Amino acid sequence: QKEVEQNSGPLSVPEGAIASLNCTYSDRGSQSFFWYRQYSGKSPELIMFIYSNGDKEDGRFTAQLNKASQYVSLLIRDSQPSDSATYLCAVSGSQGNLIFGKGTKLSVKP
Amino acid sequence: GAGVSQSPSNKVTEKGKDVELRCDPISGHTALYWYRQSLGQGLEFLIYFQGNSAPDKSGLPSDRFSAERTGGSVSTLTIQRTQQEDSAVYLCASSLGSGTSNQPQHFGDGTRLSIL
Repeated sequence: QKEVEQNSGPLSVPEGAIASLNCTYSDRGSQSFFWYRQYSGKSPELIMFIYSNGDKEDGRFTAQLNKASQYVSLLIRDSQPSDSATYLCAVSGSQGNLIFGKGTKLSVKP
Repeated sequence: GAGVSQSPSNKVTEKGKDVELRCDPISGHTALYWYRQSLGQGLEFLIYFQGNSAPDKSGLPSDRFSAERTGGSVSTLTIQRTQQEDSAVYLCASSLGSGTSNQPQHFGDGTRLSIL
């Protein structure tokens, strides 16, 4: 059973701080890694994707991938209350689908 | 609109009834996916269509679930003889398909299904 694991949280950080969200996956063959943000009652929204080892930056977001450790993370710099949401890590599956973790709930306190 | 469109947004029905959910993918996206998300749970993969190819049905939870995609575009997910455990949000996503899952998937707003 291919799995994606995330700490369910809640992760609470003060406004302006760096939020660090982590994810591990079981399938060494996975090639593509995605981070989605999901506000309560809404559908997932793509915020980052990464395919190669290392860091990928987009504005306040940085995705980090370490395939040897089967670990992917998302850093959010200068966190804002509007970043408060559940962050879903997703990993490519062999069926063409994505395998999702259950998400980490982030709360940014003003 | 330019996004994935799903209808209805909400559906309440009695146990044992059949329901049909619709998804219209982003124009030009050849890959289409159905997932469901139960309350407080992660997304569960149901089925995947790539263009006009036969779908991968291995994620469907029972034979009461079926899906089709007409003309490589609009898809319908049908649940027959609904049960209370079918209550969930059904999410459709589409991507620029290439036969792999490297392309980012973009989600519709979902259909919230409630079985009484």
